[in-house]
Amino acid sequence: AQSVTQLDSQVPVFEEAPVELRCNYSSSVSVYLFWYVQYPNQGLQLLLKYLSGSTLVKSINGFEAEFNKSQTSFHLRKPSVHISDTAEYFCAVTVSSGSARQLTFGSGTQLTVLP
Amino acid sequence: ETGVTQTPRHLVMGMTNKKSLKCEQHLGHNAMYWYKQSAKKPLELMFVYNFKEQTENNSVPSRFSPECPNSSHLFLHLHTLQPEDSALYLCASRIITGVAGANVLTFGAGSRLTVL
Repeated sequence: AQSVTQLDSQVPVFEEAPVELRCNYSSSVSVYLFWYVQYPNQGLQLLLKYLSGSTLVKSINGFEAEFNKSQTSFHLRKPSVHISDTAEYFCAVTVSSGSARQLTFGSGTQLTVLP
Repeated sequence: ETGVTQTPRHLVMGMTNKKSLKCEQHLGHNAMYWYKQSAKKPLELMFVYNFKEQTENNSVPSRFSPECPNSSHLFLHLHTLQPEDSALYLCASRIITGVAGANVLTFGAGSRLTVL
């Protein structure tokens, strides 16, 4: 079975500063990786995903994540954050083959952008 | 609005009450999910329905009873709950295809349940 670890439960950062949210996974087989974002009083929304190909994937609002197979990581980064990026971010993994493709989520990282 | 609608958004109930949570999607999806979200814990998958058939029950206590009358609607019936069942209950859906990355779930905004 696969698992996901998000090492930081809370990350405070000042506006316009860079940020990195860490995600490590474990799996004995190939995986797909996802980042979801949850704004206050809302459900989860897909931010970006890695399926195959280029290991660097980007979202439309300036976030990017890099799949590192040797380090089993999929860290999320943004070079300059805005107040509106304040939200909880969840990393998720699923195996890339077989019928059991349920997502396994991490415990989340609360990103708080300070003025 | 994501296309997945959950009602009610907030529910307070006593331990002896019976209530239901409703989830509705008109996205053409054919798989629906219930997740439990508790503070500082990973999302817990509760139930999965594919084409209206339950395909997964993740060791959920019988005081939670799901119902999927059609591919667009999913219910979670609640009875004799415990205070530790207080949480945000999220519904999600997706379309089942053979295409890679089809695990992209669309979530509702959740139903915040408080058990007194």
